[in-house]
Amino acid sequence: QLQLQESGPGLVKPSETLSLTCTVSGGSISSSSYYWGWIRQPPGKGLEWIGSIYYSGSTYYNPSLKSRVTISVDTSKNQFSLKLSSVTAADTAVYYCARHRTNFDLWGRGTLVTVSS
Amino acid sequence: EIVLTQSPGTLSLSPGERATLSCRASQSVSSSYLAWYQQKPGQAPRLLIYGASSRATGIPDRFSGSGSGTDFTLTISRLEPEDFAVYYCQQYGSSAWTFGQGTKVEIK
Repeated sequence: QLQLQESGPGLVKPSETLSLTCTVSGGSISSSSYYWGWIRQPPGKGLEWIGSIYYSGSTYYNPSLKSRVTISVDTSKNQFSLKLSSVTAADTAVYYCARHRTNFDLWGRGTLVTVSS
Repeated sequence: EIVLTQSPGTLSLSPGERATLSCRASQSVSSSYLAWYQQKPGQAPRLLIYGASSRATGIPDRFSGSGSGTDFTLTISRLEPEDFAVYYCQQYGSSAWTFGQGTKVEIK
């Protein structure tokens, strides 16, 4: 059974880069025609798609975050990663990784990242 | 970018009642690319409906989706205690995915 698990620092200082990794277990990240994406949810607010990487390596980003986001994949480790640069308090959120095509059918449990000095 | 607007923001109902949630898109969305999710506190969202009207695996038949073009609806025929949660619609188009702002279904 495929599972996703987010990992990374829970606290990031303003202006620094937020880095998270999603580890996929129970199946290969490079098999089947899936996208692997990141979604975030500020405390008490709604969901925001950040960006995704296709199994072939193509990337797609939310235009509102594109200048600060990089998503990459490491097939040897069955992981994909998120980097968000120049963070501010507005980037404080629960960050989810997910498998998807046109809809998100499998999610990680999420990890809270707080931006604070 | 397609903007999804959900209404109402909050729906106050009693168990056993019918819930009707709306999702309106700023431009036409392919029905194949409209989905609904349920989120409970402290949990990740769960896919309920995809392709506007198809239930995801394991989703009870009291959940149904309908609509086309710019207007979509999620209906819960008879609310069970475990259905009180926040519901999001989501669409895909032009290599971008967007979510509505959510509707909270609370116990009256």
